[in-house]
Parts: sequence; C-alpha cells; structure tokens
Amino acid sequence: KQEVTQIPAALSVPEGENLVLNCSFTDSAIYNLQWFRQDPGKGLTSLLLIQSSQREQTSGRLNASLDKSSGRSTLYIAASQPGDSATYLCAVSGMVIGNQFYFGTGTSLTVIP
Amino acid sequence: EAQVTQNPRYLITVTGKKLTVTCSQNMNHEYMSWYRQDPGLGLRQIYYSMNVEVTDKGDVPEGYKVSRKEKRNFPLILESPSPNQTSLYFCASSLIQVSPLHFGNGTRLTVT
Repeated sequence: KQEVTQIPAALSVPEGENLVLNCSFTDSAIYNLQWFRQDPGKGLTSLLLIQSSQREQTSGRLNASLDKSSGRSTLYIAASQPGDSATYLCAVSGMVIGNQFYFGTGTSLTVIP
Repeated sequence: EAQVTQNPRYLITVTGKKLTVTCSQNMNHEYMSWYRQDPGLGLRQIYYSMNVEVTDKGDVPEGYKVSRKEKRNFPLILESPSPNQTSLYFCASSLIQVSPLHFGNGTRLTVT
C-alpha cells in the first residue's frame, strides 16, 4: 500500500524567505502527484499537478518537482508572504485507472510578518 | 461559478440514525470521490466513482454507502452511524481521474 509522508509537520518562517516543503512516497508507480493548500475551515485547493512523466511544474511563486525513482517531491515557495500561511498537502494517484489517491498528513506553514 | 457543493456543513447526530451528506458539482466532471480527514491520519479515501453508475471502494469504505445516479451528484450515506465516524468529510471531483481535484468545503460530522 502506498504511504505518503510529509516532513516537517509544521514550519514557521519570516516573511520574504524562500522555503521548501517535502513529500515522499513509497511506491513509485504513480500517475501523478498533486500539491494542495488547505486553509482553516475550508476545503483543499489544487496548486500544482505533476504527471509522472514530468520533472517539474511552476505557477507564479510556486515550483514543484518530482523525482519518481526516489519517491520524492518538493514544493518550493519563493519570497513567502503571510498570505501563504496554510497547510500544504501532497497526494499521489496510483498507476491503475480508478485507483486511489493517497494523501500525506500535511505541513502547516506559518509566515511571520 | 465552478464549484463542488457539500451539504450540510455541520451535522450532529446520534448513533444509529441514518444520514446522507450531499455532494454536487457543476463542472461536468466524470470522477468524484469522498474522503475523511482525521488528525494525524490525513485524508483517506472512502469511495470513488469513475462515472455514472460506476463506484468503487477506497481505503476506508466500511460503514458507508454511495450512489452515482446522475453525473453531478454523489451522496454519501451512513446507514447506521457510529462514534468512530465522527470526522471531517470532503467531496471532490475532477474531469477525469488524473486531472486536478476540486474539493468541497467539507462537512463536519459528530456522532454521539
């Protein structure tokens, strides 16, 4: 069974700092990996999706990379802002069509003004 | 506005009283799924549906039922709720299974 791990569980940084969030998974047979943001009391918002054949995806100040062979992904946030404070989750989708999504437990990010 | 709508947002019920949490999407998505989120355990998939009349079990299906009679709706049914089903529930949809997931705002269920 796929296991997805996110370390650290919580992170606090001063505004303006660049930071990296980590996601690791045990089974490299994935279709894609998604990064989500979750704000308190709200659902998850998809930030980036990386297909298994891709190495990275970028959106604004966010850059996600994928190393399938080592079972790792990183989410890079440039020039962090207080509005980036949220919980960030990664999820992998299995290779078999109709297979499940497996989520990590998330990294809670606080950006201090 | 494109969205996934869940109702109700909050629900308190008693053990054994059947309940339904509704989920509707207006994006003509084929793939829909249900998750529960518990502290320390993250999100776990309960059921998913690849299309109308096609549903399958996720990681934690025990005690839940679903149906997909129409493309836009995917209700979650708890026939006989128990306290261990107290959780935060999310419905999500995507165009196809490997597209970005769109989530509803969640339903916080408490079973006493």
